[in-house]
Amino acid sequence: DGGITQSPKYLFRKEGQNVTLSCEQNLNHDAMYWYRQDPGQGLRLIYYSQIVNDFQKGDIAEGYSVSREKKESFPLTVTSAQKNPTAFYLCASSHRAGDSNQPQHFGDGTRLSIL
Amino acid sequence: AQSVTQPDIHITVSEGASLELRCNYSYGATPYLFWYVQSPGQGLQLLLKYFSGDTLVQGIKGFEAEFKRSQSSFNLRKPSVHWSDAAEYFCAVGRGSQGNLIFGKGTKLSVKP
Repeated sequence: DGGITQSPKYLFRKEGQNVTLSCEQNLNHDAMYWYRQDPGQGLRLIYYSQIVNDFQKGDIAEGYSVSREKKESFPLTVTSAQKNPTAFYLCASSHRAGDSNQPQHFGDGTRLSIL
Repeated sequence: AQSVTQPDIHITVSEGASLELRCNYSYGATPYLFWYVQSPGQGLQLLLKYFSGDTLVQGIKGFEAEFKRSQSSFNLRKPSVHWSDAAEYFCAVGRGSQGNLIFGKGTKLSVKP
């Protein structure tokens, strides 16, 4: 079945450590997105990519980095500069880039906590 | 700037009762509107979407939503709620050429037996 796979489901970060969240899709979608979800805050956009080797900052990009070396993969690194990383992170994709009528498909998320 | 407001943080309804979840948006042009549902610890699932045409759109799981331009609203409805509908519901609007979505803060639905 086609879909988006996020791993790991749970992740713990020590102080000063960078951690990377994996997102893989086999939907052949052009665009991919990372959202952060905090209780009562809805989803906020961290980064998005409309094409391989290109990505753009979203609303809350500080303390995060991404890469898009392959169409299927869009990993997110939470750096030590992100002072409040505890949250639920959701990866999404959509068929065509730059087209806001495209519904997004979501993975099952990664919950990141601080040790 | 585009925005989405879901006025109700938490709603409780009895099983079998009707449901309406409110969503108001702010957008200059004709909006692309979506409703998603999220079960605890899971990702979001698309319930329905509005692009143009008929203002009443049908979705999965017996949900429907009505687009009212004059009220800048896109309320989600279901005539008879089932216990399995307990979840969090998010309204979203498409954000121009970026292609991503702006989400409301969500409404948590609880269902009483």
